[in-house]
Amino acid sequence: AQSVTQLDSQVPVFEEAPVELRCNYSSSVSVYLFWYVQYPNQGLQLLLKYLSGSTLVESINGFEAEFNKSQTSFHLRKPSVHISDTAEYFCAVSIHFGNEKLTFGTGTRLTIIP
Amino acid sequence: GAGVSQSPSNKVTEKGKDVELRCDPISGHTALYWYRQRLGQGLEFLIYFQGNSAPDKSGLPSDRFSAERTGESVSTLTIQRTQQEDSAVYLCASSLAGRGLMYEQYFGPGTRLTVT
Repeated sequence: AQSVTQLDSQVPVFEEAPVELRCNYSSSVSVYLFWYVQYPNQGLQLLLKYLSGSTLVESINGFEAEFNKSQTSFHLRKPSVHISDTAEYFCAVSIHFGNEKLTFGTGTRLTIIP
Repeated sequence: GAGVSQSPSNKVTEKGKDVELRCDPISGHTALYWYRQRLGQGLEFLIYFQGNSAPDKSGLPSDRFSAERTGESVSTLTIQRTQQEDSAVYLCASSLAGRGLMYEQYFGPGTRLTVT
């Protein structure tokens, strides 16, 4: 079975500073990788995903994540954060040719300090 | 268009009572998922419906949990004889799932269940 580890439960960052949210996964088969975001009092939304091809994927609001197969990682980065990025971020995996259910990490709460 | 909707948004129930949670997926989405998020934990997969195929119930934590789906529309998750450990946010998601392809899952706002 696959699993996802998000080592940092909370990450405080000053506004305009860079941030990296870590995600490692374990799976015996190929996986799809996702980052979901949950803004305060809102539902879960897809931020970005890796299905195949280029290992670097980007979101429309400046986040990027890189699939590293050798390190089984899919860390999320942003070079300069804004107050509006305050949210909880969840990393998730789904195995190829499975029923597409998602296995989630425990989440990282990103707090932006003005 | 309308997204995934869930009702009720909040439910407080006494231990031992049965509860029913409802999910209305996005129209045309063939796949429907139920997840559970307990406090301080990640989302746990519960059950998956895809078209007319037999549902994947591998994530249901006990036989007190069951779910149904009418065709490709509404789904209900039923918890019988609720226990305090059932307290969680129950999330529903739907997608245009296809074999071998990964479509985005759209999540509803969730139902917060509190068992007292």
